[in-house]
Amino acid sequence: GAVVSQHPSRVICKSGTSVKIECRSLDFQATTMFWYRQFPKQSLMLMATSNEGSKATYEQGVEKDKFLINHASLTLSTLTVTSAHPEDSSFYICSARARHPTSGRSYNEQFFGPGTRLTVL
Amino acid sequence: GNSVTQMEGPVTLSEEAFLTINCTYTATGYPSLFWYVQYPGEGLQLLLKATKADDKGSNKGFEATYRKETTSFHLEKGSVQVSDSAVYFCALSHPGGSEKLVFGKGTKLTVNP
Repeated sequence: GAVVSQHPSRVICKSGTSVKIECRSLDFQATTMFWYRQFPKQSLMLMATSNEGSKATYEQGVEKDKFLINHASLTLSTLTVTSAHPEDSSFYICSARARHPTSGRSYNEQFFGPGTRLTVL
Repeated sequence: GNSVTQMEGPVTLSEEAFLTINCTYTATGYPSLFWYVQYPGEGLQLLLKATKADDKGSNKGFEATYRKETTSFHLEKGSVQVSDSAVYFCALSHPGGSEKLVFGKGTKLTVNP
């Protein structure tokens, strides 16, 4: 099946620093990647949707200058948490929609990465 | 707006017990419905889905039927195994063709031998 990886799996940083999280589709091209945030015992909340080569679309209430998303290629999207603060501590999960290798059409299913645990001290 | 409500966990069962995890939704239009499973230390995996009313999704012994009249998509399995221990998420995709997913809070299932 399609595999999505995230790096790092866990990061601890000091308040005020920036942290970059990578999301890669390992064996398929992703037309669209999604970034979610999950608080303890809460559901996944969609933060933004990114399409390769275009600006990300952010959900209401998500600060685009705080959470920078870059989708530079069909296999890589990055989320940068800028000037992180303790309230940004959370579990960040990405997912990707695959594109058929010959027709170019997108599959309906999203494939999820294992998540990145961010702790801001 | 669109939302998903699933039963609070955690749920603890003995092996071979019957499992039901309730899920109801609120949505305009006709959403597609999903159950995802997250095993410890892994990402979410699609378990099953249904795209229209009265459809039954099934996989690995799990089943869920899309009930439009009760806006429900309850997950069931007749005989659970220890390996089914995981967190289960009910989700819907926005009607109108958008690929956005709206998730429930998740239900943690522990199956004891």
